[in-house]
Amino acid sequence: GAGVSQTPSNKVTEKGKYVELRCDPISGHTALYWYRQSLGQGPEFLIYFQGTGAADDSGLPNDRFFAVRPEGSVSTLKIQRTERGDSAVYLCASSLMGGGPDEQFFGPGTRLTVL
Amino acid sequence: GNSVTQMEGPVTLSEEAFLTINCTYTATGYPSLFWYVQYPGEGLQLLLKATKADDKGSNKGFEATYRKETTSFHLEKGSVQVSDSAVYFCALSRSNSGYALNFGKGTSLLVTP
Repeated sequence: GAGVSQTPSNKVTEKGKYVELRCDPISGHTALYWYRQSLGQGPEFLIYFQGTGAADDSGLPNDRFFAVRPEGSVSTLKIQRTERGDSAVYLCASSLMGGGPDEQFFGPGTRLTVL
Repeated sequence: GNSVTQMEGPVTLSEEAFLTINCTYTATGYPSLFWYVQYPGEGLQLLLKATKADDKGSNKGFEATYRKETTSFHLEKGSVQVSDSAVYFCALSRSNSGYALNFGKGTSLLVTP
């Protein structure tokens, strides 16, 4: 079956521009997570959705970052006024319920480069 | 806060050698513990997990035991193969955040024939 997909796979943008990163979770998975992975580091939690609502956005670094999941399936991570420090691989993961230590299934990531 | 510390790599071993990758954690409460693996050119995937103290997770010949007294979850394999070459991440989950994961920095393993 289809896994978690993310588009685009690569995104190059200029400092100050706006970008959107898309995540398609596994069908039927109610929990969705965004992580950010910088070079040589482990993924860092950004935001967690349960259904349509952002249940925990404590990992978002500042108010330039925002994410939505309007229909409880596809999610979009939005970054305004991008900075060079935003360059990283952005990972999306989904799990069946999110109410327990379920396996999280990760997408291949979007590599964002801010010039 | 919650955090995970794992041994730095890269680790280079000959085929059939014994592998240990150390992982210790700091957490409030009783987290679940995981090892995720990232093979070259692939996404992160769950290798094994343990949800309470003294539990042992195992998969593909890898094992790790949840040690509450030493706050550790060391990954072991008795005989590594070239195909085990990958980056290994230790992680804990936060029950107060839908079980979002806190990851260590990752340990790169290279197994040579």
